[in-house]
Amino acid sequence: GAVVSQHPSWVICKSGTSVKIECRSLDFQATTMFWYRQFPKQSLMLMATSNEGSKATYEQGVEKDKFLINHASLTLSTLTVTSAHPEDSSFYICSASYNSGNTIYFGEGSWLTVV
Amino acid sequence: DAKTTQPTSMDCAEGRAANLPCNHSTISGNEYVYWYRQIHSQGPQYIIHGLKNNETNEMASLIITEDRKSSTLILPHATLRDTAVYYCIVRAPHGSGNTGKLIFGQGTTLQVKP
Repeated sequence: GAVVSQHPSWVICKSGTSVKIECRSLDFQATTMFWYRQFPKQSLMLMATSNEGSKATYEQGVEKDKFLINHASLTLSTLTVTSAHPEDSSFYICSASYNSGNTIYFGEGSWLTVV
Repeated sequence: DAKTTQPTSMDCAEGRAANLPCNHSTISGNEYVYWYRQIHSQGPQYIIHGLKNNETNEMASLIITEDRKSSTLILPHATLRDTAVYYCIVRAPHGSGNTGKLIFGQGTTLQVKP
């Protein structure tokens, strides 16, 4: 299947700092990417839909000023967690639409720990 | 997006077929049925999807009832590496105002036992 890659795989940051997570579609162009968050023993929660060249669409309850999403090219979307706090520690996962949107492939996920 | 109902957990003996059910009684005519699985601490893996016909690929088979209100994912010969959480999701195709996003429920935890 198509490949979606995230970087970094894991990151530890200090409380109050910002951290950026990258999501790349390696062998296809993705006009739409999605960002999820997953807490331990819970399901994936959709945070936002990232559209190339336009503003992201955030799900209800997700702070757009805290979780900045940029989708500047057809192969790259970034999620920046600003002023991170320990409660932002989570598994962040991106996905990208392939084949005219019929199939969505996921990245490997990025573990964020805020200390 | 229509919601799905799956059993919380299932066991399966190694080498036997694993049949994972999913109810989606409110599915709309243009919504597809998708199956993903997530092995611990990894991103979800695409398995298969279908609209109304049964589908088969190298990983699994998808059987959709004629009224499309339920479906079954079949792993023909389960191995220990198939132990994972399996998610059944109904999704409208991208376009015509739809973003095509996937909304995850709680899924079925499949435990394949030796």
